[in-house]
Amino acid sequence: DIVMTQSPDSLAVSLGERATINCKSSQSVFHNSNNKNSLAWYQQKPGQPPKLLFYWASTRDSGVPDRFSASGSGTDFTLTISSLQAEDVALYYCQQCYATPFTFGQGTKLEIK
Amino acid sequence: QLQLQESGPGLVKPSETLSLTCTVSGGSIDSSNYYWDWIRRPPGKGLQWIGNIHRSGIAHYNPSLKSRVTMSVDTSKNQFSLRLTSVTAADTAVYYCARHEGRNNWFDPWGQGTLVTVSS
Repeated sequence: DIVMTQSPDSLAVSLGERATINCKSSQSVFHNSNNKNSLAWYQQKPGQPPKLLFYWASTRDSGVPDRFSASGSGTDFTLTISSLQAEDVALYYCQQCYATPFTFGQGTKLEIK
Repeated sequence: QLQLQESGPGLVKPSETLSLTCTVSGGSIDSSNYYWDWIRRPPGKGLQWIGNIHRSGIAHYNPSLKSRVTMSVDTSKNQFSLRLTSVTAADTAVYYCARHEGRNNWFDPWGQGTLVTVSS
């Protein structure tokens, strides 16, 4: 199985400040066939299901605010919130979409400092 | 807008079988483009992909659960189902159903989730 490891496990950031979450895969999730990385990011708020934020590592899903950005390639990926808003408090997960069994990172809890 | 909704018992006894159904509305499950997935989140832990099924009936399971999992699809009811046998407390989790398209392999949308507790 591809192991996904996120860092940090939790993060406290002041409103308006930048938040950065890292995700590392145990093997590359880059597809030579289409030059894309098979990685997705989700946001999960309490009592709600995960919500897709990004796919192909950096493609923002419809309706996701542009203060959210994602980048990375191969085995190392990053989710960034440029200016933290109160509504961004949530758990964030990365997921490798490269091979079954599909696997997720352990999650990063983002809070307001 | 496609919506998914899980249903089933919230309490299952150890060694018994967990059975859940996901009802799809706002779209057809009978599409060759999509796979229908089950994912769970145990309390205090991360997300685990259980497996998926295609309208053709072809299923793929997580090897860690494969011996205990069966999925099925009922296109006439626009539903798909999960059976997990010989459950233990470790199977206590919020169970989600979700969809993914072809080889894209990310999940969207998700059902709201249903908590299943394994306890006597």
